Amino acid sequence: AAGVIQSPRHLIKEKRETATLKCYPIPRHDTVYWYQQGPGQDPQFLISFYEKMQSDKGSIPDRFSAQQFSDYHSELNMSSLELGDSALYFCASTARGEETQYFGPGTRLLVL
Amino acid sequence: DAKTTQPPSMDCAEGRAANLPCNHSTISGNEYVYWYRQIHSQGPQYIIHGLKNNETNEMASLIITEDRKSSTLILPHATLRDTAVYYCIVLYNFNKFYFGSGTKLNVKP
Repeated sequence: AAGVIQSPRHLIKEKRETATLKCYPIPRHDTVYWYQQGPGQDPQFLISFYEKMQSDKGSIPDRFSAQQFSDYHSELNMSSLELGDSALYFCASTARGEETQYFGPGTRLLVL
Repeated sequence: DAKTTQPPSMDCAEGRAANLPCNHSTISGNEYVYWYRQIHSQGPQYIIHGLKNNETNEMASLIITEDRKSSTLILPHATLRDTAVYYCIVLYNFNKFYFGSGTKLNVKP
């Protein structure tokens, strides 16, 4: 069965650079969630989108923005990167009326 | 938001049943209990979920107490590949998940 696809899988950036992470949900899923997991930490909810509209917001820094496109894929844009942004970033998707979230393999971001 | 409490770690012998407890004493009537696991920094993997009744699928069983204040995830025959961090999550508002600290399950040969 098709799963959530995230790209890139690994990313290395310098401080103050920008990064864009992409998420392709499972076909026919219309809701996307982003989570951040720092080293030794548990996943923390960042933001979610339903039908291309932001549906909820968690502890997402103002330097980060995200959007969902007409094909339901989503992009997380991160600017002015800081060392503390080094983390795993997971995307999850679900279909309308369902609650079970299916997670992608994650993007590992390292900020030097 | 309903919070969950899990033991930080548990050991289990390979081939034996692993019983992972979770307390969610502030759960509301319409909040589901979800279980996910994360194997070594991979994406969290869905295991099972339930509202009131006990549930079973090919991976595990979920036992929810009658007052819904606690639940137990049962892996009937644990294998080394079941070594992971197991998260008990109460789904709030059909939207975001709040991950607690989870239980690190160590399956030993």
